[in-house]
Amino acid sequence: GENVEQHPSTLSVQEGDSAVIKCTYSDSASNYFPWYKQELGKGPQLIIDIRSNVGEKKDQRIAVTLNKTAKHFSLHITETQPEDSAVYFCAATDLGANNLFFGTGTRLTVIP
Amino acid sequence: ETGVTQTPRHLVMGMTNKKSLKCEQHLGHNAMYWYKQSAKKPLELMFVYSLEERVENNSVPSRFSPECPNSSHLFLHLHTLQPEDSALYLCASSQDRVNIQYFGAGTRLSVL
Repeated sequence: GENVEQHPSTLSVQEGDSAVIKCTYSDSASNYFPWYKQELGKGPQLIIDIRSNVGEKKDQRIAVTLNKTAKHFSLHITETQPEDSAVYFCAATDLGANNLFFGTGTRLTVIP
Repeated sequence: ETGVTQTPRHLVMGMTNKKSLKCEQHLGHNAMYWYKQSAKKPLELMFVYSLEERVENNSVPSRFSPECPNSSHLFLHLHTLQPEDSALYLCASSQDRVNIQYFGAGTRLSVL
């Protein structure tokens, strides 16, 4: 089955700086890579996703890059704000298999 | 509000108790999921119901029993749990199994 590794487990940045979270996956058949944000007391919420037919996707301050050859993908948050503080999870799946495989999460703290 | 509601939000139970977790989705989706979230571990998929078909993770102990009476409701019946079952239990739903999963806020379960 798929194995997703995520780094770092914790990340602290100053407000306004950028944050980068990286994930690797093992199954070359994986073709869908969502990122979820989990705030305290809430369930994970999808913030951005990317499919294997593109290398990069951007939505305002959030971007995701995908390198299929190296089997890794990254989340980039620019101009971080305190409300970005949360736990972020990457995931990978083969859309044919339909089961999401999650990373272990990154706790991001944005220091005002 | 994600459209997925879980009750109760918190539950404390003894090892001999029987309790049930409830999930309801108002999104018109046809697939529902139970996940277990433990500290420093990836989200663990426990059960999937899709178009009345149940798919389960074979590593889930039989003391967890799911029930899906219709496409909008999902239950997780608990009996004779162990302290290591203490975790956040998350419900999610999606339209078919290929699309974005929407999570509820979870039930924080403590087994004494």
